[in-house]
Amino acid sequence: SQQGEEDPQALSIQEGENATMNCSYKTSINNLQWYRQNSGRGLVHLILIRSNEREKHSGRLRVTLDTSKKSSSLLITASRAADTASYFCATATHLNNDMRFGAGTRLTVKP
Amino acid sequence: DTEVTQTPKHLVMGMTNKKSLKCEQHMGHRAMYWYKQKAKKPPELMFVYSYEKLSINESVPSRFSPECPNSSLLNLHLHALQPEDSALYLCASSQDPRPGANVLTFGAGSRLTVL
Repeated sequence: SQQGEEDPQALSIQEGENATMNCSYKTSINNLQWYRQNSGRGLVHLILIRSNEREKHSGRLRVTLDTSKKSSSLLITASRAADTASYFCATATHLNNDMRFGAGTRLTVKP
Repeated sequence: DTEVTQTPKHLVMGMTNKKSLKCEQHMGHRAMYWYKQKAKKPPELMFVYSYEKLSINESVPSRFSPECPNSSLLNLHLHALQPEDSALYLCASSQDPRPGANVLTFGAGSRLTVL
């Protein structure tokens, strides 16, 4: 069974706009990570935020974490058509080295 | 080498066949993972190996049998599968098997079709 929910399930925006995706999870975590998947291919790690961090930036990516609400958001600024993909959050616990994925958001960026 | 290599890329098998999926990494990673992914769904964790020992089995049916012959190789043996087992099977590895220390590197996946 997987960790949580993401919303929206699908998001369609124009190039240059910002995209925000949200993730909720259920258990206590050590860290939360975001991954990207192009259609039918493997996942690529984007960014990791630890449970004692509230915000992290990497290039055009901004991730926030609210452990009191068990939620995270991923913001992609100035989106490009090449950002079209599915985005998943994944959580790692303190107990073992499993990694469980949320439902994902399918992002379409129109040129 | 910063890749996880999965073979075959595509596999079609009948319900009575025995086949194997293979995964290889040469990054010195000590944890390896199998995930199953259905269309438009997230990856579902199946198995985790830490230091070549099975550390997590997510109650996967016995028709899926994992094997980790050494620290670089991970196999998934398939036998008597059902059509609903058709999916993309993803292998991943992480450098450190300790809890919470795992950033995963994924292979491109093996797309399995069971007839």
